[in-house]
Amino acid sequence: KAGVTQTPRYLIKTRGQQVTLSCSPISGHRSVSWYQQTPGQGLQFLFEYFSETQRNKGNFPGRFSGRQFSNSRSEMNVSTLELGDSALYLCASSLGRTGTYEQYFGPGTRLTVT
Amino acid sequence: QQQVKQSPQSLIVQKGGISIINCAYENTAFDYFPWYQQFPGKGPALLIAIRPDVSEKKEGRFTISFNKSAKQFSLHIMDSQPGDSATYFCAASKDSWGKLQFGAGTQVVVTP
Repeated sequence: KAGVTQTPRYLIKTRGQQVTLSCSPISGHRSVSWYQQTPGQGLQFLFEYFSETQRNKGNFPGRFSGRQFSNSRSEMNVSTLELGDSALYLCASSLGRTGTYEQYFGPGTRLTVT
Repeated sequence: QQQVKQSPQSLIVQKGGISIINCAYENTAFDYFPWYQQFPGKGPALLIAIRPDVSEKKEGRFTISFNKSAKQFSLHIMDSQPGDSATYFCAASKDSWGKLQFGAGTQVVVTP
């Protein structure tokens, strides 16, 4: 079974631009979560989607948004990019069934803001 | 406020030795405690996880010890190998399937 895939793998953007990252979960997984990883702040939760609905949100500004499609694929968008948004953005998928907690991460998208 | 505190920040162990990483949490509502292994340029990989109704779980060379009263849990890597050199993260979550709260990570180096 294929793992979590994320596209693109690398991205360079300029301050003020916006960016969209994509995540395809493991087949059969209905929950998708997004995390930001930086050397200074570590791994921080952004938001989680299940059945096209955002169920949880972390402490990030409104410039960070996401959505999930009916096939469970998810996208996250960052508008008005700032230098501090440079990070590895990770997507994780899980079955979404009660009692199943395991989350499996993709390889991430490395975003560099210049 | 960091809800999961992880130590040490880094660890050097000889091949064949035992690596021990500790984590402490504050929120007693947490009910799932996974450990992840991350190699440079890769996403974190789920290594082993435990629920609070058991005190220990072993999978191969990896063991989680869980102390509910002390709100602490630890990862033991037995017979450490150079291929185990990676960054290890503990995490915790409650209720939902997302929103893992991660520790700061421990960089483990296993010397030949």
